[in-house]
Amino acid sequence: QVQLVESGGDVVKPGGSLRLTCAASGFTFNDYSMTWIRQTPGKGLEWVSYISRSGSSIYYADSVKGRFTISRDNTKNSVYLQMNSLRAEDTAMYYCARLEYYYDHWGQGALVTVSS
Amino acid sequence: DIQMTQSPSTLSASVGDRVTITCRASQSFTSRLAWYRQKPGKAPELLIYEASVLRSAVPSRFSGTGSGTEFTLTISSLQPDDFATFYCQQYDSFPFTFGPGTKVDIK
Repeated sequence: QVQLVESGGDVVKPGGSLRLTCAASGFTFNDYSMTWIRQTPGKGLEWVSYISRSGSSIYYADSVKGRFTISRDNTKNSVYLQMNSLRAEDTAMYYCARLEYYYDHWGQGALVTVSS
Repeated sequence: DIQMTQSPSTLSASVGDRVTITCRASQSFTSRLAWYRQKPGKAPELLIYEASVLRSAVPSRFSGTGSGTEFTLTISSLQPDDFATFYCQQYDSFPFTFGPGTKVDIK
């Protein structure tokens, strides 16, 4: 069965960095685009970043552009989110999700807390 | 970006009730709309895509209709598992955007 497992969530100080990993299994990873979506009580569900099957197309939400970097390793069935210059407003649960236009499978989430 | 709104924001209902949630879009599109259910402490799960197509293994009490700027999710007979928050999401235009959610709680 399809599984997506996020890791790397932590408490970090403003201005700090964190790298999230999403390990995929149960499907042919390089057949699918992948995304990161975050959720906060205040702003609900917010798409963060997208990466195509080969990694050749990448997009970011304006709120994270220039600070976050998405990447994938199809040999390791993993997608990553490198988060730099973190701000308090980046505090959220971060989900990786498989993209089939809609998001048909989600991980359990990784909690990122940005606080001094 | 296409803005999505949902109504109501909260809905109180009982097991067995028929429940309808409305999702409205700031721009018209055909059917590229999905519905998700999120139980407390869990990730969202896909229920319906293409506005009305029930995902495999999703109970038939869920149904979706609509096109243009107005879409609805109907639960024909609310079950204990459905006391949750429901979200719509458009995938007609990038960035794909979510509605703010409708929380269904116990009356």
